[in-house]
Amino acid sequence: QAGLTQPPSVSKDLGQTATLTCTGNSNNVGYQGAVWLQQHRGHPPKLLSYRNSNRPSGISERLSASRSGNIASLTIIGLQPEDEADYYCSAWDRILTSWVFGGGTKLTVL
Amino acid sequence: EVQVVESGGGLVQPGGSLRLSCAASAFSFSNFWMSWVRQAPGKGLEWVASIKEDGSDKYYVDSVKGRFTISRDNAKSSLYLQMSSLRAEDTAVYYCASIHMGYWGQGTLVTVSS
Repeated sequence: QAGLTQPPSVSKDLGQTATLTCTGNSNNVGYQGAVWLQQHRGHPPKLLSYRNSNRPSGISERLSASRSGNIASLTIIGLQPEDEADYYCSAWDRILTSWVFGGGTKLTVL
Repeated sequence: EVQVVESGGGLVQPGGSLRLSCAASAFSFSNFWMSWVRQAPGKGLEWVASIKEDGSDKYYVDSVKGRFTISRDNAKSSLYLQMSSLRAEDTAVYYCASIHMGYWGQGTLVTVSS
């Protein structure tokens, strides 16, 4: 099953803004959007954004998700040390009838 | 508070079998698709299987078709993954999840090794 495309790594300075991207196609990201997950080493994934780009309760307002066509994006403003983690996107693919994941982006806060 | 708790992982020899269980609470389990997602050591997340709310539809990643079976018991708010003919490449932490709702367990480690 083909996956979604994410840049392997992004590095930004403390306090800056990072925008992570997730590229799919019209059958997955373009169909119902993508969820965004954050994972710190040794911990399970944590939902940051629903497929409709809304934030779950308790997620910082510094994070915002959006979608343009087949590309989903996650923007984090005012980067903090605790934002350093792996970020994954995932979407349901209506043709493959499977969830597809991106390979993950490792965000480093310098 | 939503809770998702996996169990049943462990060390198993190649060719062996294992049954994973997942107990969910504090959400309407029977109203949601549920899935198993795995993560091999040092690797990314990989979807394994999903099951419809009433268990009538099931989907699997190609690499586990014919070897793994996903099932659920809505009366017990429980999800299962029966794994057989296990291979070294099945070694991973297995997560029980409602992916679109963001409910994830802590994971259970499955190690396939002789």
